[in-house]
Amino acid sequence: DIQMTQSPSTLSASVGDRVTITCRASQNINNWLAWYQQKPGKAPQLLIFKASSLESGVPSRFSGSGAGTEFTLTISGLQPDDFATYYCQEYSSYSRTFGQGTKVEVK
Amino acid sequence: QVQLQQWGAGLLKPSETLSLTCGVSGGTFSGYYWTWIRQSPEKGLEWIGEIDHSGDSNYQTSLKNRLSLSVDTPRKRFSLRLSSVTAADTGIYYCARAVYSGSPFWYWGQGTPVTVSS
Repeated sequence: DIQMTQSPSTLSASVGDRVTITCRASQNINNWLAWYQQKPGKAPQLLIFKASSLESGVPSRFSGSGAGTEFTLTISGLQPDDFATYYCQEYSSYSRTFGQGTKVEVK
Repeated sequence: QVQLQQWGAGLLKPSETLSLTCGVSGGTFSGYYWTWIRQSPEKGLEWIGEIDHSGDSNYQTSLKNRLSLSVDTPRKRFSLRLSSVTAADTGIYYCARAVYSGSPFWYWGQGTPVTVSS
């Protein structure tokens, strides 16, 4: 199975900060990677698919990059609504594995 | 707007069978893969399996001996049955929609908390 490792596990930031979250795959997944945002008590919401394609309606301050085994999610200008947990997910393999999550909290 | 509404019993004893159903509104049922995903503090988010309108299904390898997915296309519903549950099956279960088998998940249900305890 492909393992997905996110770093950091927790990130403390302030409104307006530029935030970067990294996701590493244990083997090449090309660009078959999605990013989700989850708030407490809610289901995850798709932000980005195919590593860098922004889902409709998602603010342009969110961006994704990477290919192969290393990927990043960047939030340019953190907003109050962005404090949440973020997950990467590979969809290259049968198991569709998720990362363990990165919680973005208030500094 | 596509909406997924799920329901089912949330408290089970070990060895019982978990049954959940997800209803789809606001969009077509055919042409998608209808998915179950669960989340627990121990395992995080875990894809369980998927089924399309015709009944074509794929199951997570570790669960395939206990898992059964079914679909009721006229009523736009799909269901999960997981037998012989243990405490390791405790978590929040989500239904979701994939555009194709193996795609990301664009729409999600609200989640059903499931607790397995004696």
